[in-house]
Amino acid sequence: GAVVSQHPSWVICKSGTSVKIECRSLDFQATTMFWYRQFPKQSLMLMATSNEGSKATYEQGVEKDKFLINHASLTLSTLTVTSAHPEDSSFYICSAAPPLQETQYFGPGTRLLVL
Amino acid sequence: SQQGEEDPQALSIQEGENATMNCSYKTSINNLQWYRQNSGRGLVHLILIRSNEREKHSGRLRVTLDTSKKSSSLLITASRAADTASYFCATGSSGGGGNKLTFGTGTQLKVEL
Repeated sequence: GAVVSQHPSWVICKSGTSVKIECRSLDFQATTMFWYRQFPKQSLMLMATSNEGSKATYEQGVEKDKFLINHASLTLSTLTVTSAHPEDSSFYICSAAPPLQETQYFGPGTRLLVL
Repeated sequence: SQQGEEDPQALSIQEGENATMNCSYKTSINNLQWYRQNSGRGLVHLILIRSNEREKHSGRLRVTLDTSKKSSSLLITASRAADTASYFCATGSSGGGGNKLTFGTGTQLKVEL
């Protein structure tokens, strides 16, 4: 099946710093990627849809200036958490689907801890 | 919130028994997918059922979909300890790569030896 990777798998940072998370589709091209956030023992909440070559579409309540998304190529999307605070600590997961497929393939996730 | 609900929230069974999880959703859908998540890991796709399908099988998995009731069920037969994980349903509102998913609340399954 299709493979999606994320880097880093975990990161610890100080409050006020920015953190960049990469999401790559390894064996297919993806014009659309999705970013989710998951709190402990809860479900995934869609944050934004990343569109290659254009601006991301953010879900209601998600601050676009706080969570910067760049989808510069057909295999890479990045999520930057700017000026991170402890409440941003969470598990961030990306997904992508091969062209014309409905099945989403998920990355392994990035655990962010902001001190 | 458009998030669907799953029931039960938690399920504990003995190895060899069957496990049934239910999912209800609120809006019209193009497809419904079931995913599995081991603790602290990413999601693994299990099975996709389209809105015009009523039942689908994959190995020990059986999924049903009732669009009139806006509900789906996942049955795992002859469960194994390795099936212990969280299971999520997710509804897709469009086809193709832009298929945005809305996840259910999840069921935590524990299979004991």
